[in-house]
Parts: sequence; C-alpha cells; structure tokens
Amino acid sequence: QQQVKQSPQSLIVQKGGISIINCAYENTAFDYFPWYQQFPGKGPALLIAIRPDVSEKKEGRFTISFNKSAKQFSLHIMDSQPGDSATYFCAASPSNTGNQFYFGTGTSLTVIP
Amino acid sequence: DTGVSQDPRHKITKRGQNVTFRCDPISEHNRLYWYRQTLGQGPEFLTYFQNEAQLEKSRLLSDRFSAERPKGSFSTLEIQRTEQGDSAMYLCASSLSYNSPLHFGNGTRLTVT
Repeated sequence: QQQVKQSPQSLIVQKGGISIINCAYENTAFDYFPWYQQFPGKGPALLIAIRPDVSEKKEGRFTISFNKSAKQFSLHIMDSQPGDSATYFCAASPSNTGNQFYFGTGTSLTVIP
Repeated sequence: DTGVSQDPRHKITKRGQNVTFRCDPISEHNRLYWYRQTLGQGPEFLTYFQNEAQLEKSRLLSDRFSAERPKGSFSTLEIQRTEQGDSAMYLCASSLSYNSPLHFGNGTRLTVT
C-alpha cells in the first residue's frame, strides 16, 4: 500500500513557467514532509521540507504548500529552469517512530528552454 | 567531500552469487538507513540503524539480506544468493537525529544477470 501518493508521474513545463507537484497521505502520524530532487545516476538530495505547524514554506524559487485538513502537500517551482529538469519525490515521516521515511513514486520534470 | 559515500557505484553479478555493499555516513550522523530504488519508483525502506544497533527492518526484506554497522560507523549490506529481482539501486542515507532530513549517497547500482 502506497503511504504517500504523488502526481503527476511526469510534467513538461516551459522555461519560466510554474511547476506544481502534488502529494497526498492518509497517516495522521506523519509530521515531517520533505521533498527530494534526484538527477540521473545520483542519490536524492533534500530540496525543502515542512512540518505541519505551518501552511507554507518558501526557499528561493521553491515553495511547499501544506493543507493539514486535506492531508495534502505540494511543491511549486517558480520560474522553472532547464536545470530543474529532474525527478522529484515527496516523502513523509511519522512522529511515532521517527525512523522510516515513506516516499512517493516520483515526478519526472522536464523544463523546455 | 563530507557527504555519504557508497562503494562500489556499480556491481554486476551472476544469479546465485553473494554481494556486499559499503556505506560511509556523514561522520556526526548516528542514524543510518538503507533504501532500495527500482526504475520509476521512489526509495523503499530496507533497514535502519541507530549507532550500531539495527532497530528496524522492513517486513518485505528477504532473509537473504543482512546489514551490519560495527562500531556505529560505516555499514555493510550483504545480499546472499542474488536473484534477478534484486537488481536495483541500493541507497544509503544518514541523519543527525530523529525527524531530521535524510542525506543520501549516490547509491550502488546492482545488476544481477
């Protein structure tokens, strides 16, 4: 059973556009929600993360929006650049164990020049 | 480079052979994780160490898999009697403390022929 559901599977955006990736979860014990960026042949790298006590977090061109009641969170990439072309994974970690991170299935983003 | 390092980067083996991978975490991180990633999927949790103690192991993990972390430093993951279904990227990650972000290595890509 997929603990974190991610969509879309792939996304094509024009340079300068906004990329939006969505994730949903069911486990209310989740209380830490990171996003990872992965380039081919590399391990995932932490991009930005949020805890449920805030509804939005922004770091540069990257913003996480969090809706606790809907159990959904999303990544917005503003002014998307070709260098942003990568696979993005959302993840969630529960407070009751704090040991295991559950990952979404990933979104392959292509930014067209 | 003070990131997580994994060795080897690639391993090709014949079905039935044993393989061993090594992970060196970030030095001050006491938590170490092993994940497996197949094409088009997010990382899947395998096992977790806090210092030298293996505290959690995925129920999906075959008993052909074993991991160690002697002295709470580097870790090894061994797969005995490899099968073609074991072909995947094996990722190691470390973290500083409970609910802090995972820092991944670049993985070991295993191909079982």
